[in-house]
Amino acid sequence: GESVGLHLPTLSVQEGDNSIINCAYSNSASDYFIWYKQESGKGPQFIIDIRSNMDKRQGQRVTVLLNKTVKHLSLQIAATQPGDSAVYFCAENNPQGAQKLVFGQGTRLTINP
Amino acid sequence: GAGVSQSPRYKVAKRGQDVALRCDPISGHVSLFWYQQALGQGPEFLTYFQNEAQLDKSGLPSDRFFAERPEGSVSTLKIQRTQQEDSAVYLCASSFRASGIYNEQFFGPGTRLTVL
Repeated sequence: GESVGLHLPTLSVQEGDNSIINCAYSNSASDYFIWYKQESGKGPQFIIDIRSNMDKRQGQRVTVLLNKTVKHLSLQIAATQPGDSAVYFCAENNPQGAQKLVFGQGTRLTINP
Repeated sequence: GAGVSQSPRYKVAKRGQDVALRCDPISGHVSLFWYQQALGQGPEFLTYFQNEAQLDKSGLPSDRFFAERPEGSVSTLKIQRTQQEDSAVYLCASSFRASGIYNEQFFGPGTRLTVL
């Protein structure tokens, strides 16, 4: 069935280090993937997206990597800052099919000073 | 407004009460989504509107859940005879374009429903 999951529920990194958050998906029909950041008491906030015809996309301090062979997605955050502390979700979508996003459980990122 | 707004932000209901949760999407956004987020979990899809048409309600957990968007703008999620398992954050999201096109979903802050 459709599912999006994460390898680690929590991740703790030192301020200034790079963070890598991983995600596995199982629906090979999904062709659009999104990373969201959710701070306490707020709704998910879009970080970066990638389509299945790409294997890498870069934004400001963030990079998303997509490996369709093993159905794996990762989010890399460079020079992690205290403001990066949040729960990070990957989500998958198939715009040609159902419109819904399928979310994973999330990874809580904690930044140590 | 600049973003998706939801009201109320917090709702406490006694078991068996009916509740109504409101979503104001970004002006001009065609698509509107409702998601349910249990504590410590990722959001789960409930239902989807394209303008005023409810095109997908496959995620609604029971017939106690009902959503509407009569004029293609504001949407209301109604839960009848609330149960404790309905306690969750209810998120609304909107996107500019209709289905079949890659486009970002913008989320509101959510309504936290607690059923006692």
